[in-house]
Amino acid sequence: DTEVTQTPKHLVMGMTNKKSLKCEQHMGHRAMYWYKQKAKKPPELMFVYSYEKLSINESVPSRFSPECPNSSLLNLHLHALQPEDSALYLCASSPMGLAGGPSYEQYFGPGTRLTVT
Amino acid sequence: AQTVTQSQPEMSVQEAETVTLSCTYDTSESNYYLFWYKQPPSRQMILVIRQEAYKQQNATENRFSVNFQKAAKSFSLKISDSQLGDTAMYFCALRWGGSNYKLTFGKGTLLTVNP
Repeated sequence: DTEVTQTPKHLVMGMTNKKSLKCEQHMGHRAMYWYKQKAKKPPELMFVYSYEKLSINESVPSRFSPECPNSSLLNLHLHALQPEDSALYLCASSPMGLAGGPSYEQYFGPGTRLTVT
Repeated sequence: AQTVTQSQPEMSVQEAETVTLSCTYDTSESNYYLFWYKQPPSRQMILVIRQEAYKQQNATENRFSVNFQKAAKSFSLKISDSQLGDTAMYFCALRWGGSNYKLTFGKGTLLTVNP
């Protein structure tokens, strides 16, 4: 199984709503990532989890709250979002490399298309 | 700082022909990895090919091959026998070999394969 899955595929939410995005992988990868991607732009890194601990937060606003309940699952909790947060949210995972850190390859999920109204 | 530059925003090629996508990069690190990712209209990002900077041999994966010129900091992708399914946005990416987990992406090249 070489797949990263993400749910839901599409999400429309109001600025006062609370919602969550889910990412799952069963490849035994111990590094997981959240990216934000605007149309026709490259992905922008938001968060990195390594061994279920948050290791990188790219100065993301607190209205985005990541959570890694276990080694297979990564959530992104959304609250009080702005219309400019509308984007494709991609999850990715990496196996661990020989040096103990994440390997260099990242495997991406299909993304969740988020629209904030 | 690391940068990745893709100077061709859009390209097109006829089916069965060969096309080369350009990528140049800049890094002060000696240990790094380069990648080409493909993102079809369905939006799932797929790893196409990777190259370790310490390897002189160019990576090859079926119809995809790279021309890695380390001194020139160039990393181009050649697609042979182009197929309609190759239509996608292609991103060149660089990752330093240290503890920074960040992938630095280029802006992408939109490749269209025409029948």
